[in-house]
Amino acid sequence: QVQLQQWGAGLLKPSETLSLTCAVYGGSFSGYYWSWIRQPPGKGLEWIGEINHSGSTKYNPSLKSRVTISVDTSKNQFSLKLSSVTAADTAVYYCARGDWVVPAALFRRRGVTWFDSWGQGTLVTVSS
Amino acid sequence: SSELTQDPAVSVSLGQTVRITCQGDSLRSYDASWYQQKPGQAPVLVVFGKNNRPSGIPDRFSGSSSGNTASLTITGAQAEDEADYYCNSRDISGNLLDVVFGGGTKLTVL
Repeated sequence: QVQLQQWGAGLLKPSETLSLTCAVYGGSFSGYYWSWIRQPPGKGLEWIGEINHSGSTKYNPSLKSRVTISVDTSKNQFSLKLSSVTAADTAVYYCARGDWVVPAALFRRRGVTWFDSWGQGTLVTVSS
Repeated sequence: SSELTQDPAVSVSLGQTVRITCQGDSLRSYDASWYQQKPGQAPVLVVFGKNNRPSGIPDRFSGSSSGNTASLTITGAQAEDEADYYCNSRDISGNLLDVVFGGGTKLTVL
């Protein structure tokens, strides 16, 4: 049973850099897509970005200029950095393990992507 | 970007069946995945793919898809099913293939 445990600073001032790390226990690190997802208070889920075990990344276009996701396979950890934070970045941040089946018309196979394990969440508040 | 649209709120009487829907262009080639989130907790995957349930998820939860609409059906809703439900898929516009989430549906069990 895979478990994700995350940590990082919970209170930041505007313009600082948010930094969170997620450790993966009890499961394979390779073959999955490791994501960061956030949820502003009272609002829905927003995907921030993902990385695979080889370091290939994808980022939400709305955050791409400020986001860096990195991986340390020797420790089974991945990390999030979000620069120049503002009050709008106040949210609960989750790390999650993702999987992805790409659609293949030739085989009449539909695609699907899902997140089956989540970290406990970290509330990050940005306030002066 | 390819958006996923959900009704903000749905209600169901205890023991009855409820369907929560998710609409978006990406659902023409992707099956949705569905998450249940209770207050103060992380989301939990309840259905993914062509109606697959992770271990421990009751079989009253099922998924289906037609055209650009995916549905999560709860057959015989229980009080503990009261929660927010989110769908997700991949954005197929412009070959970005970024992850997208629906805005969420708040389910009330009466």
